Amino acid sequence: NAGVTQTPKFRVLKTGQSMTLLCAQDMNHEYMYWYRQDPGMGLRLIHYSVGEGTTAKGEVPDGYNVSRLKKQNFLLGLESAAPSQTSVYFCASRPPGQGYEQYFGPGTRLTVT
Amino acid sequence: DAKTTQPNSMESNEEEPVHLPCNHSTISGTDYIHWYRQLPSQGPEYVIHGLTSNVNNRMASLAIAEDRKSSTLILHRATLRDAAVYYCILIQGAQKLVFGQGTRLTINP
Repeated sequence: NAGVTQTPKFRVLKTGQSMTLLCAQDMNHEYMYWYRQDPGMGLRLIHYSVGEGTTAKGEVPDGYNVSRLKKQNFLLGLESAAPSQTSVYFCASRPPGQGYEQYFGPGTRLTVT
Repeated sequence: DAKTTQPNSMESNEEEPVHLPCNHSTISGTDYIHWYRQLPSQGPEYVIHGLTSNVNNRMASLAIAEDRKSSTLILHRATLRDAAVYYCILIQGAQKLVFGQGTRLTINP
């Protein structure tokens, strides 16, 4: 199993450009999440999905959109990148239920200039 | 979301036990207590979780107070590879992880 993978690993964008981050998991997990982590801070939830075709807002959703067209993939889009979106982005997945752990990807480091 | 309180940093020596405390005085009856850790430049990694009883696994032990208002993560014999930020998190009905600042653990050789 590859677990949770994220593409790309690094990206530099200019203000106003758009891009999509891809998260893929091969564990057949129902739930998937996108977090961002700013320097010296804990992770903050952007959006999450509890199943194919469903998404919900997290703590900091503004400026981001997501889609879950296939169970194994969760896409995070930035329509018009801003310097405030410079961060490390982590994707995670888990089975449903409170007793299960989240599996995290290695992260995508995004810089917006 | 229920909050947790952890010390900002702790320091220990290699091969000694480490006790990482967490206070969660507003915990509700159905909240699970999860611990994750984040090594430098990596994504968070699951360590252990519990509900009411103490738990052991290959990485650590989790001691939960009888009133569930606090818990302690125990690393029985710390190694240099255990240097990380440790997060104590309560999982509620929405299954969302709410990360606080965590405890930065330094291990001295």
